[in-house]
Amino acid sequence: GAVVSQHPSRVICKSGTSVKIECRSLDFQATTMFWYRQFPKQSLMLMATSNEGSKATYEQGVEKDKFLINHASLTLSTLTVTSAHPEDSSFYICSARGMTSGGPRDEQFFGPGTRLTVL
Amino acid sequence: GEDVEQSLFLSVREGDSSVINCTYTDSSSTYLYWYKQEPGAGLQLLTYIFSNMDMKQDQRLTVLLNKKDKHLSLRIADTQTGDSAIYFCSPGFQKLVFGTGTRLLVSP
Repeated sequence: GAVVSQHPSRVICKSGTSVKIECRSLDFQATTMFWYRQFPKQSLMLMATSNEGSKATYEQGVEKDKFLINHASLTLSTLTVTSAHPEDSSFYICSARGMTSGGPRDEQFFGPGTRLTVL
Repeated sequence: GEDVEQSLFLSVREGDSSVINCTYTDSSSTYLYWYKQEPGAGLQLLTYIFSNMDMKQDQRLTVLLNKKDKHLSLRIADTQTGDSAIYFCSPGFQKLVFGTGTRLLVSP
């Protein structure tokens, strides 16, 4: 249990276009979802935290108009990179935390990541 | 803010034990986690320890916590080539904080 999926796994887009990445909790209700960004050979940087039904909380330095996050249901959160530019190219990983069949779980369960390349 | 430090690289031979060390600054974390990341993949939770524990053993994995020194270690017994990956320690509860991770390379 506690599986998180992301779609797409890899996307290449032209500069100036917008890209939407989906994060789904497949077998549990994710009351909180997190979006991270990871550069090559670097750590994960938390971008934002979203609770179902409310606005996302963005970390300092992350542009909320650039990275739109929607957490409309207990199983789905989306990250939209608007007007993408080459510097937005990165590995985006989501994680989820919430109520599983075994009860509430405090740890975060991570998706497999989405590789975004902006040309 | 929270700071997490790990050595960048560790190389061991198959069958040996691996010890990955981590130091952190925030002592208020309720849990301390160890995650594994394989190339091009997300993070897989390996194990975690409550902050009021000194040690936790889970099959080949042993976690030691020295809360006074804010030092956490992960020992992998009988390391296999499939254990080659990047290992992240992360203190936290509401939010996780990650260091750069330790790249473990296991050679046959």
